[in-house]
Amino acid sequence: SQQGEEDPQALSIQEGENATMNCSYKTSINNLQWYRQNSGRGLVHLILIRSNEREKHSGRLRVTLDTSKKSSSLLITASRAADTASYFCARYNQGGKLIFGQGTELSVKP
Amino acid sequence: GAGVSQSPRYKVTKRGQDVALRCDPISGHVSLYWYRQALGQGPEFLTYFNYEAQQDKSGLPNDRFSAERPEGSISTLTIQRTEQRDSAMYRCASSWGNTGELFFGEGSRLTVL
Repeated sequence: SQQGEEDPQALSIQEGENATMNCSYKTSINNLQWYRQNSGRGLVHLILIRSNEREKHSGRLRVTLDTSKKSSSLLITASRAADTASYFCARYNQGGKLIFGQGTELSVKP
Repeated sequence: GAGVSQSPRYKVTKRGQDVALRCDPISGHVSLYWYRQALGQGPEFLTYFNYEAQQDKSGLPNDRFSAERPEGSISTLTIQRTEQRDSAMYRCASSWGNTGELFFGEGSRLTVL
């Protein structure tokens, strides 16, 4: 199985609310990445945070990283129906293999 | 091309047949990854290449699965003697190197009858 997990597995919110997803991992990392996948389509890279960074912003996205707890969170502020998708965190192992978690399925209701 | 291209997009085959799935990465990308994804699950790593060298094939389920990237560009994932359990979405991705973001193709959906 893949290293680490996202939680929750599924999240349903109303448009305008914030959505928070968490990711835990087991080994040391150089960076951690978040991807989005709409309706079974290809994954799209959202944001990369390096191990020496604690927080990073991109538009309505905010990612935090706590290397002492081996965890990261993705916050989507002021969510929109178009944010409905599955969200995955991913990190490289020492051999260069990028490993994905099982994802959080986000549903934003209009 | 502008993005990662995979073909065929859909493949239906009978059990026991061989299939070849093709991935054309973004021009100049060094690393190429293959994943398999079941419905509702995250991508499962299969194998990856840097240039033409296969760096890690630990995710290939068994010896019926193989991959190559002979000229460091296009890659082919081959499944021999397909079984129903091989039915899945197979995804290819490429990147400048094996520390950065991946660019994914739309995938090849394989159905084994």
